[in-house]
Amino acid sequence: KAGVTQTPRYLIKTRGQQVTLSCSPISGHRSVSWYQQTPGQGLQFLFEYFSETQRNKGNFPGRFSGRQFSNSRSEMNVSTLELGDSALYLCASSLSPVGNTGELFFGEGSRLTVL
Amino acid sequence: GDSVTQMEGPVTLSEEAFLTINCTYTATGYPSLFWYVQYPGEGLQLLLKATKADDKGSNKGFEATYRKETTSFHLEKGSVQVSDSAVYFCALSSYNNNDMRFGAGTRLTVKP
Repeated sequence: KAGVTQTPRYLIKTRGQQVTLSCSPISGHRSVSWYQQTPGQGLQFLFEYFSETQRNKGNFPGRFSGRQFSNSRSEMNVSTLELGDSALYLCASSLSPVGNTGELFFGEGSRLTVL
Repeated sequence: GDSVTQMEGPVTLSEEAFLTINCTYTATGYPSLFWYVQYPGEGLQLLLKATKADDKGSNKGFEATYRKETTSFHLEKGSVQVSDSAVYFCALSSYNNNDMRFGAGTRLTVKP
């Protein structure tokens, strides 16, 4: 069974640009959630999509957005990049929505560097 | 709001030593508690979980017991191996929040 796939794995952008990250969940999983991991702030919840609907959003500015397609694949977008957006962005999928008791399955992450 | 506090480390142990990583939580409802592990260059993977008070999660020699009276979910292993070197995250999820909240992570290094 294929795991969670995130693309691209590494990318470098400059301030002011935008970036789109992609996440393909495990087959059959309808929930996709996104997290930002930085040395200073640790792991922070960005948002979750379940059956193409955003269920919840963390405390991030509107520059961070996402969507989920009918095949459960998800994308997140960050516009007008800032230096502080440099981070590892992790995607996780699960059968049931986050907040239930089920396990999250994480991808290896997309490492974004903003110069 | 709900939150998780864990011992930050780093923690360095010799092989076969006993491991404890402390985790305490604050929650208004009845959260589920998790330990996730992140090996170098990889995403997180579930190590163990407990969904109600007094439940004990266990996996690969690691154990943690959901203690409601002390709001704790400490991770223990009787004899660590070099291959256990990783970052360990305590986490909480609940129906109230519809999200997963992580502790700061504890980096464990096990030396031969």
